[in-house]
Amino acid sequence: GAVVSQHPSRVICKSGTSVKIECRSLDFQATTMFWYRQFPKQSLMLMATSNEGSKATYEQGVEKDKFLINHASLTLSTLTVTSAHPEDSSFYICSARGTRNQPQHFGDGTRLSIL
Amino acid sequence: AQTVTQSQPEMSVQEAETVTLSCTYDTSESDYYLFWYKQPPSRQMILVIRQEAYKQQNATENRFSVNFQKAAKSFSLKISDSQLGDAAMYFCAYRSPPQGGSEKLVFGKGTKLTVNP
Repeated sequence: GAVVSQHPSRVICKSGTSVKIECRSLDFQATTMFWYRQFPKQSLMLMATSNEGSKATYEQGVEKDKFLINHASLTLSTLTVTSAHPEDSSFYICSARGTRNQPQHFGDGTRLSIL
Repeated sequence: AQTVTQSQPEMSVQEAETVTLSCTYDTSESDYYLFWYKQPPSRQMILVIRQEAYKQQNATENRFSVNFQKAAKSFSLKISDSQLGDAAMYFCAYRSPPQGGSEKLVFGKGTKLTVNP
């Protein structure tokens, strides 16, 4: 149980385009989802926390207009990287949890490469 | 703010042997959660084991066990009978309690575990 699916697994696109990444909880209702960014050989850094039906809470230093997060249902959250540039290239991972005392379960991640 | 420190960037172990990965943390909270996550080359983060700070008993999951020393703020992971599939990056993580506070997972920098056949 507790499967989180993230799609796509890899994206390569031109500078200036927008990229949408989906995160789905397949067998549980995810009241809260989290978006992380991981640079090569580094740890995960939380970008934002999203609760179903409300606005996401962004960590300090993360641009809200750059990284749009939508959590419209209990099983789906999306991260849209708008007008992506090479410095946005990274590994993005989502996680989801059910109730507050349950652990976060992670998706497989999305490797984003901006040319 | 909470911090998590993993002092061993890399560790290696022989197959079938036992290895212990270290983790220390700093917090002023009395109740919290601690986790060990595994990230194999496929990059998926897999929950290995979880410990609630209010529980004195150390958590165990098959070949994985922890040594939780609350006073020392130490949370080490012991892997017994190491297998080739255990090779991965291991991240220690801290989370505030569910009642109030941030749910943010604070990760250590990770320990790369190599299992030698």
